[in-house]
Amino acid sequence: NAGVMQNPRHLVRRRGQEARLRCSPMKGHSHVYWYRQLPEEGLKFMVYLQKENIIDESGMPKERFSAEFPKEGPSILRIQQVVRGDSAAYFCASSPPGRTNTGELFFGEGSRLTVL
Amino acid sequence: GQNIDQPTEMTATEGAIVQINCTYQTSGFNGLFWYQQHAGEAPTFLSYNVLDGLEEKGRFSSFLSRSKGYSYLLLKELQMKDSASYLCAVIDSNYQLIWGAGTKLIIKP
Repeated sequence: NAGVMQNPRHLVRRRGQEARLRCSPMKGHSHVYWYRQLPEEGLKFMVYLQKENIIDESGMPKERFSAEFPKEGPSILRIQQVVRGDSAAYFCASSPPGRTNTGELFFGEGSRLTVL
Repeated sequence: GQNIDQPTEMTATEGAIVQINCTYQTSGFNGLFWYQQHAGEAPTFLSYNVLDGLEEKGRFSSFLSRSKGYSYLLLKELQMKDSASYLCAVIDSNYQLIWGAGTKLIIKP
């Protein structure tokens, strides 16, 4: 049973370009969470999605950032017109149906974005 | 505001015991997680506490006191591979996970 798959593992972009990060949850998991982690800092919640629905996007910056989890295919975190401050590790986690208080999250290996 | 406090860094000796503390102030409480994260890797689940008391799992134990807003992770018989960051996270009343910044644990021979 494959774990949470994220790609690319490393992505380099110049300021103003777009970054697309993909996440395939574990088989049987229908909930996806995106987190951002800056060096030497904790995980910051960004968005919580179920298939075709954004459940909670309270952690998403209001501009340039968007996320989706289509009926078919992986969840995608999209960052438009990247700036140097977007450089971070972006982790995706999934959980089975039900709330997170009933079980742990399973994390992907993360996508490390570097903006030059 | 919501706040999770953990020490930034701790050092311990191989074979010894170390206790990593976590205090929290959140809007509601629906459970507390401890995760381990090696440098450059994904966090991995260690423990989940929702009731007061001690949960033991091999060399690792986690304690919770809801009235004090306090938890600790106890690691026994430390091994070099235990060198990692340990993240405390609390589920608030909106079922959102609030994360601490993590405690970097350095194990010395």
